[in-house]
Amino acid sequence: AQSVTQLDSHVSVSEGTPVLLRCNYSSSYSPSLFWYVQHPNKGLQLLLKYTSAATLVKGINGFEAEFKKSETSFHLTKPSAHMSDAAEYFCVVRTDTGRRALTFGSGTRLQVQP
Amino acid sequence: DGGITQSPKYLFRKEGQNVTLSCEQNLNHDAMYWYRQDPGQGLRLIYYSQIVNDFQKGDIAEGYSVSREKKESFPLTVTSAQKNPTAFYLCASSSALAGVQETQYFGPGTRLLVL
Repeated sequence: AQSVTQLDSHVSVSEGTPVLLRCNYSSSYSPSLFWYVQHPNKGLQLLLKYTSAATLVKGINGFEAEFKKSETSFHLTKPSAHMSDAAEYFCVVRTDTGRRALTFGSGTRLQVQP
Repeated sequence: DGGITQSPKYLFRKEGQNVTLSCEQNLNHDAMYWYRQDPGQGLRLIYYSQIVNDFQKGDIAEGYSVSREKKESFPLTVTSAQKNPTAFYLCASSSALAGVQETQYFGPGTRLLVL
């Protein structure tokens, strides 16, 4: 079985300060891990993904995430928040079994204060 | 212009009525998925299809039905048996040939409301 826990339902930062969105996963197999972003009433956009290559993954819009197997974590970071980063962020896990569907975390809403 | 389209953007359902949500992709992807999103929650899998003329139930399939007659199309019907259909519905697709690099791409979603 696989599961994802996003440790914060809401995160608020000031523009220009660092962003940290936390994610822990549980998986019986070697996982693929993703971060998606969703702006209000929109579909999901892929930010980045980890698929057993480099443990530090760089994504779009300056985001990156580090896969730490010992901690079963895949936290999302950005050095400097921008107002346009305000959105809902989902940590997602997929295991390479016959069913390729995704398991989603409950989401973290990021607010960026001016 | 490649991508996934969903229609309509908003859909209203009357009590006892069946409604169908459209999902079309021109990415030549084999696999397609339907997810449901409720406020403050992540997405939950309704149905998925890995190949034409074949589909499997997801975690919350009761009250829903699908078909996969064409590779590019995966419509979802919300039947009258679904007692709480109000939600945001998202369709996704992926390439089975990508292996571990497989990524799901999402459409813009359909918001279903009950009158």
